[in-house]
Amino acid sequence: SQQGEEDPQALSIQEGENATMNCSYKTSINNLQWYRQNSGRGLVHLILIRSNEREKHSGRLRVTLDTSKKSSSLLITASRAADTASYFCATDAGWDNAGNMLTFGGGTRLMVKP
Amino acid sequence: GAGVSQSPRYKVTKRGQDVTLRCDPISSHATLYWYQQALGQGPEFLTYFNYEAQPDKSGLPSDRFSAERPEGSISTLTIQRTEQRDSAMYRCASRDRGGETQYFGPGTRLLVL
Repeated sequence: SQQGEEDPQALSIQEGENATMNCSYKTSINNLQWYRQNSGRGLVHLILIRSNEREKHSGRLRVTLDTSKKSSSLLITASRAADTASYFCATDAGWDNAGNMLTFGGGTRLMVKP
Repeated sequence: GAGVSQSPRYKVTKRGQDVTLRCDPISSHATLYWYQQALGQGPEFLTYFNYEAQPDKSGLPSDRFSAERPEGSISTLTIQRTEQRDSAMYRCASRDRGGETQYFGPGTRLLVL
């Protein structure tokens, strides 16, 4: 079963606009990670935020984490057509939880129109 | 190796046949995971290995599913007597000891007719 929900399930924006995706989860975590899946390709790791961090940046990506609300958001600024993909959040609840297995959300399908 | 590799990339089989999927993790990565991803869903955990040990099989859907990693490197996932509901993308990932990031292979897309 999935750990939590991602919102929205689908998002369509114009190139140059910002895209925000939200993720909620249910249990305590070690860290939360965001992955991208292009059509027909593998899962690519984007960014990781630890449970004691509130915000992290990487290039055009900004991730926030609110452990009190068990939620995270991913912001992609100045989107490009190449950002079109599905984005998944995944939580790591620690080694005692099946060796740091990841529990994924259902994903947000982002379409960036040129 | 440079990354996680999986083979075959695509597998079409008939209901009732056995299939074996292979994962070659990043060399020296201690931990290896198998996930199943249905169309339009996120991946779901099946099982993991720490070197050759398999401490957790809780995600395997039935006893038709089994996995091995006999020498602590390459792993195989075998599905016996396949059923149509087994159709999915099967993903393998590996993680370095002490690392936080899991690196995923390209997946094997299985179609059971």
